[in-house]
Amino acid sequence: DGGITQSPKYLFRKEGQNVTLSCEQNLNHDAMYWYRQDPGQGLRLIYYSQIVNDFQKGDIAEGYSVSREKKESFPLTVTSAQKNPTAFYLCASSIAGLRDEQYFGPGTRLTVT
Amino acid sequence: GDSVTQMEGPVTLSEEAFLTINCTYTATGYPSLFWYVQYPGEGLQLLLKATKADDKGSNKGFEATYRKETTSFHLEKGSVQVSDSAVYFCALRDGNDMRFGAGTRLTVKP
Repeated sequence: DGGITQSPKYLFRKEGQNVTLSCEQNLNHDAMYWYRQDPGQGLRLIYYSQIVNDFQKGDIAEGYSVSREKKESFPLTVTSAQKNPTAFYLCASSIAGLRDEQYFGPGTRLTVT
Repeated sequence: GDSVTQMEGPVTLSEEAFLTINCTYTATGYPSLFWYVQYPGEGLQLLLKATKADDKGSNKGFEATYRKETTSFHLEKGSVQVSDSAVYFCALRDGNDMRFGAGTRLTVKP
């Protein structure tokens, strides 16, 4: 089955540590996205990538970094510079068109204490 | 910039009641419009979409019509079930990213 996988489902880290969230898709989509969701709020875009080896900052990129070395993979690193990293992180992908739907992974819940 | 506003929740209904969740948008171009559903602890699932004015998206008994004159895309269902309890997001896309509403939590009681 085609889809998007995110791992792990739950992640716990101590303050001051960097942590990397995994996102893999086998939909053959060119574009991939990372969103952050806080309780009772909508989704906010962190980074997106339209093609391999290229990515763009979204609305809340500070304290995060990404890479896109393969079409299938778009890992997100939450750095120690992110002031409030505890949140639910969602990865999505879509075909390259500018008006098409995005498909979402199951999410990773990150808790930093 | 483009944005989406949807009715605040939570919404609580009895089983078999009629559902409407309002969604309006602001866009400079001609976006595609979407409704997504999120169950607890999960990612978003596409519920339905419409790509141009007067299009009606439908799926699993849910419907929404792209109204350009009122810049709206209200979600409706004639008879809700307990299993419809979830958070519903309205979204638009006309470019590299997608803009989401804040979400409306629906609880359906038996």
